[in-house]
Amino acid sequence: EAQVTQNPRYLITVTGKKLTVTCSQNMNHEYMSWYRQDPGLGLRQIYYSMNVEVTDKGDVPEGYKVSRKEKRNFPLILESPSPNQTSLYFCASSTQGQGASPLHFGNGTRLTVT
Amino acid sequence: GEDVEQSLFLSVREGDSSVINCTYTDSSSTYLYWYKQEPGAGLQLLTYIFSNMDMKQDQRLTVLLNKKDKHLSLRIADTQTGDSAIYFCAESGVGGGADGLTFGKGTHLIIQP
Repeated sequence: EAQVTQNPRYLITVTGKKLTVTCSQNMNHEYMSWYRQDPGLGLRQIYYSMNVEVTDKGDVPEGYKVSRKEKRNFPLILESPSPNQTSLYFCASSTQGQGASPLHFGNGTRLTVT
Repeated sequence: GEDVEQSLFLSVREGDSSVINCTYTDSSSTYLYWYKQEPGAGLQLLTYIFSNMDMKQDQRLTVLLNKKDKHLSLRIADTQTGDSAIYFCAESGVGGGADGLTFGKGTHLIIQP
């Protein structure tokens, strides 16, 4: 089944403790992206990747890192999480970027930073 | 940057038609998308339309595009309880977000029995 898989689904952590949210897609998509969803703010893009070894900042990249060493994986790294990073995070992928093909979304990771 | 605006809430009776509206500012838009987000899930693509079209129909869904007014709408005929969700409009274009894609904040569709 074609899908985008994020792990974990739920995560509670403390301020400053490094964490990684994994994202994997099995559709051989070139483009991958991370979003955060907050009430009243909608979806905001954190980072995106047009292809392997190519990553770019989205609209809200501060406090996050990403890597794209392989086509299928695009992990999101929070080196020193803070409470304002408490949010619902989505990974997405598509055959090409810039909105030229539909995005496929994962089911989300709900992160709470205390 | 460019902007996409949607109403936050829409309430309709079961069996009626729902019309969710979206306006955008990017005059270079090439694709316009509608996504549906059910509780506890990610966004699922519902339908999309190319900017050179003015209408697209797919079963109970009708998308209308007025490019001159930069207005997009999604009509759901015979609305059912399973249609209760958040609906996101998104547009792609040169003036869009960091990667050319801009989402609206989403419209909560509430179904009254």
